[in-house]
Amino acid sequence: SQQGEEDPQALSIQEGENATMNCSYKTSINNLQWYRQNSGRGLVHLILIRSNEREKHSGRLRVTLDTSKKSSSLLITASRAADTASYFCATDARQAGTALIFGKGTTLSVSS
Amino acid sequence: EAQVTQNPRYLITVTGKKLTVTCSQNMNHEYMSWYRQDPGLGLRQIYYSMNVEVTDKGDVPEGYKVSRKEKRNFPLILESPSPNQTSLYFCATRSSYPEKLFFGSGTQLSVL
Repeated sequence: SQQGEEDPQALSIQEGENATMNCSYKTSINNLQWYRQNSGRGLVHLILIRSNEREKHSGRLRVTLDTSKKSSSLLITASRAADTASYFCATDARQAGTALIFGKGTTLSVSS
Repeated sequence: EAQVTQNPRYLITVTGKKLTVTCSQNMNHEYMSWYRQDPGLGLRQIYYSMNVEVTDKGDVPEGYKVSRKEKRNFPLILESPSPNQTSLYFCATRSSYPEKLFFGSGTQLSVL
């Protein structure tokens, strides 16, 4: 059951530019999380935002959440080549026992 | 170091030959889960376990078995693998608070 849908599917930018990725979801959530995956490796947790929060920061990352629109955005400021990866949003729905449901991801390419 | 260890990293097998992918964690997390990742389909949950001896189906459980005899281990068993189970598999644990996932490095399985 797909919950989150990221947009765009792919994004190419230059080093130093900002990268913005969006995520839309369908049902009520407890929280929404963003993960990063380097090619073929395990996903790494980046940031979690709860349903009662609107914005959260972590280093160069800024996440917003709009529960009325069922959408979230991840902003990476001053991108670096090392930020090249796939980024996934994952929603923690309210059903007990169900783990995070992941979107299909945005592939970010940062060129130097 | 906190980690989720999956083995093997790569596995090539033939149709019908039973195999087991192991997963072990040292974080004392109660929740463990298996995902498969396929191009264009994102990550889909196979099975999850809320605690020892408690397992439940995810979105795509057909053709898979799991067991949770002890907290640290959560093996994934393919009794009779088929080519449509060729995929990248991830084991993950979840912390209680914040409720984020920790992933293993993945197992790339090819069923010929």
